[in-house]
Amino acid sequence: NAGVTQTPKFQVLKTGQSMTLQCAQDMNHNSMYWYRQDPGMGLRLIYYSASEGTTDKGEVPNGYNVSRLNKREFSLRLESAAPSQTSVYFCASSQGWGTNEKLFFGSGTQLSVL
Amino acid sequence: AQSVTQLGSHVSVSEGALVLLRCNYSSSVPPYLFWYVQYPNQGLQLLLKYTSAATLVKGINGFEAEFKKSETSFHLTKPSAHMSDAAEYFCAVSGVDTGKLIFGQGTTLQVKP
Repeated sequence: NAGVTQTPKFQVLKTGQSMTLQCAQDMNHNSMYWYRQDPGMGLRLIYYSASEGTTDKGEVPNGYNVSRLNKREFSLRLESAAPSQTSVYFCASSQGWGTNEKLFFGSGTQLSVL
Repeated sequence: AQSVTQLGSHVSVSEGALVLLRCNYSSSVPPYLFWYVQYPNQGLQLLLKYTSAATLVKGINGFEAEFKKSETSFHLTKPSAHMSDAAEYFCAVSGVDTGKLIFGQGTTLQVKP
């Protein structure tokens, strides 16, 4: 089973460029998430989708937009990339939305903004 | 508000030695607590979770964690470290009535031969 698949794995952007990170899960999960990981800061939630058709801001949403395209896919868009968005981005999914849910993570996208 | 603090950003042990990774939490309600592991160039995987059923929680790969309410701690232990345990470990707590996980800063475990 593929689980959670993210593309691309690596990306280099120039300041001001835009791009979309793609995420798909094949586990029929209802909830999906985007996190960013920075050294010494752990993972911080950017946006989440508790169920198909809904999206909400997380801890650090500024500069990002998301689309829950269908139950399987949840994309993250950077409209005008900034060096502060250099990070490793992880997509995750869970069966449901609740305090006890196990998250399944993709392998990440390493993004550099020059 | 929920929060998690991991004490020590880097821990180094010898192969066969005890592993102890520290996590303290702050929560206004009984928490759900998690430990995740991240191997190099991979996403995070769940090691174990505390859901109030038992204070000592056993996870995968020989790891366990004990919930201590009086100390607001959820430290991760393994009796004997293996080289394959080298990874970054994250403690996390669930938000109040939500599915949002709040992660600690992470602890990198180095295992020396």
